[in-house]
Amino acid sequence: DGGITQSPKYLFRKEGQNVTLSCEQNLNHDAMYWYRQDPGQGLRLIYYSQIVNDFQKGDIAEGYSVSREKKESFPLTVTSAQKNPTAFYLCASSMRGTGFAAGPNTDTQYFGPGTRLTVL
Amino acid sequence: GQSLEQPSEVTAVEGAIVQINCTYQTSGFYGLSWYQQHDGGAPTFLSYNGLDGLEETGRFSSFLSRSDSYGYLLLQELQMKDSASYFCAVRNGDNYGQNFVFGPGTRLSVLP
Repeated sequence: DGGITQSPKYLFRKEGQNVTLSCEQNLNHDAMYWYRQDPGQGLRLIYYSQIVNDFQKGDIAEGYSVSREKKESFPLTVTSAQKNPTAFYLCASSMRGTGFAAGPNTDTQYFGPGTRLTVL
Repeated sequence: GQSLEQPSEVTAVEGAIVQINCTYQTSGFYGLSWYQQHDGGAPTFLSYNGLDGLEETGRFSSFLSRSDSYGYLLLQELQMKDSASYFCAVRNGDNYGQNFVFGPGTRLSVLP
């Protein structure tokens, strides 16, 4: 079955620790994204990657880092520099596209089940 | 910059029809998408409009008017399981649409 997985489902972090959230997809998608969602709020973009070995900052990248060494994997590290990391983290993937190639296929994002991070 | 506006909450009864509106301001527009998210779950794709008009998928329909920078999601024959948050999304026109911007979401409550 094709899909996108995230682990762990729940994660607890102590103050000053770095933690890494896993995101893996077997949909053969080039583009991958990390979003943060706070209670009752929308999705805010942290980082995105259109292709292996390349990634770009989103709106709230401070305190986070990513890597894209493989097409299937896009891990997110929440560093100690992120002052308020408690949130629901969602990873998504889609076919690579820009506005010039937009359409229902390229504009459909597939989301993982999410990781709920709590700082103790 | 890009911004999308949606009502924060909508309430309706089972069997009714409800419309969730989305207005957007973008520097470049490439299409409007809709997602559903149940509490504690991940968003799932519902619909996409690239051109003006109505797209129908079962009980759900989505409409777009590019001249008015406006779209809506129409849910018919509401069921209790439709209680969820609904988000509209567009491609980010500031970087040729390489990523997406989401609206703040509309929480739909379906009452028996």
